[in-house]
Amino acid sequence: GAGVSQSPRYKVAKRGQDVALRCDPISGHVSLFWYQQALGQGPEFLTYFQNEAQLDKSGLPSDRFFAERPEGSVSTLKIQRTQQEDSAVYLCASRTGSENIQYFGAGTRLSVL
Amino acid sequence: DAKTTQPPSMDCAEGRAANLPCNHSTISGNEYVYWYRQIHSQGPQYIIHGLKNNETNEMASLIITEDRKSSTLILPHATLRDTAVYYCIVRIANFGNEKLTFGTGTRLTIIP
Repeated sequence: GAGVSQSPRYKVAKRGQDVALRCDPISGHVSLFWYQQALGQGPEFLTYFQNEAQLDKSGLPSDRFFAERPEGSVSTLKIQRTQQEDSAVYLCASRTGSENIQYFGAGTRLSVL
Repeated sequence: DAKTTQPPSMDCAEGRAANLPCNHSTISGNEYVYWYRQIHSQGPQYIIHGLKNNETNEMASLIITEDRKSSTLILPHATLRDTAVYYCIVRIANFGNEKLTFGTGTRLTIIP
């Protein structure tokens, strides 16, 4: 079946531009997660949704980062006024309500020039 | 969540068993051991998890020591496609503690 889908796969932005990254979770998955992965590092948690409710945003690095999931399915991670340090792979994961296993998408590689 | 320690890199010959160790000496009684792997340019992939008993699935086996302070992930017949970074994660597997805390993992290279 279809897995977690992320788009675009690659995004190049000029410093100061706003970007929007999309995540389509596995159909029916209740929970959705965003992670940031810097080069050579493991993924780091950003935020978590259960349905449309954002229950944990403790990992968002600054108020330039904003995530939403208005209808409890597709989610968008928005980064305003991008900086070079925002360059990373942004990973999305989802899971069902009963199985505590997260399934990851392939990620969006963001390069800020 | 308890901290884990893994070797930064390992090699294994194709067709042999790959044994990846993980130390988690501060693990508490209700924390599970999870393993994920990340193949180049892909997202992390779930492999297996366990609490205290050894576990086996179609991908791998997980051996947890009796004191639960360490574990070993075993890939029984490694192939070139098993080349990846392997992450050992210890966490409480309830639905209020959601995030995965990844370390830097073990980079496993399968040698032809």
